[in-house]
Amino acid sequence: SQQGEEDPQALSIQEGENATMNCSYKTSINNLQWYRQNSGRGLVHLILIRSNEREKHSGRLRVTLDTSKKSSSLLITASRAADTASYFCATGPDSSYKLIFGSGTRLLVRP
Amino acid sequence: GAVVSQHPSRVICKSGTSVKIECRSLDFQATTMFWYRQFPKQSLMLMATSNEGSKATYEQGVEKDKFLINHASLTLSTLTVTSAHPEDSSFYICSARPSDRGREKLFFGSGTQLSVL
Repeated sequence: SQQGEEDPQALSIQEGENATMNCSYKTSINNLQWYRQNSGRGLVHLILIRSNEREKHSGRLRVTLDTSKKSSSLLITASRAADTASYFCATGPDSSYKLIFGSGTRLLVRP
Repeated sequence: GAVVSQHPSRVICKSGTSVKIECRSLDFQATTMFWYRQFPKQSLMLMATSNEGSKATYEQGVEKDKFLINHASLTLSTLTVTSAHPEDSSFYICSARPSDRGREKLFFGSGTQLSVL
């Protein structure tokens, strides 16, 4: 079953602007991950945040996690046209290592 | 980085035929692989967890006899869509979890677009 919901479903911004995507989930988690998918391709891992962490950075990416609200956000700063893709959050609910994906945000960065 | 090779990338078949999709981890061993299905502009739906040397674990609502999974080695899992019908048309993606490194992160194949006529 699908674990999380993401919003917005679609986001269109100008190159150079920041993009923020939000993810909510339903059950307790061990970790939350963000993945990127270019159209018709596989997924690429972006960043992982553990349930005992609140914020994590990786390059132009900033991820926050609020376990009390069961939500996470992904911020992409200084966006580029090449950032155009779909972004999914995924939660690892237990020790089985399987991931349940959110509904995704389609990001369009206009040059 | 770890590479997962998925083949074929695209397949078109007639209704009633069976289609096999391969997922290989090229530079690492994967005790566990996962199979997902994705409809256009939608999220990935987990179909099953494939464990090397044992039976796959299917998610609720996924037909075991329809989607046969075999994980015969530490680097190869296959998904066979048996007696495919147009409603099976979808994008299928595999992912692999390395056995010997950070285990939460998954590495994905590039997907297979299945079109059943």
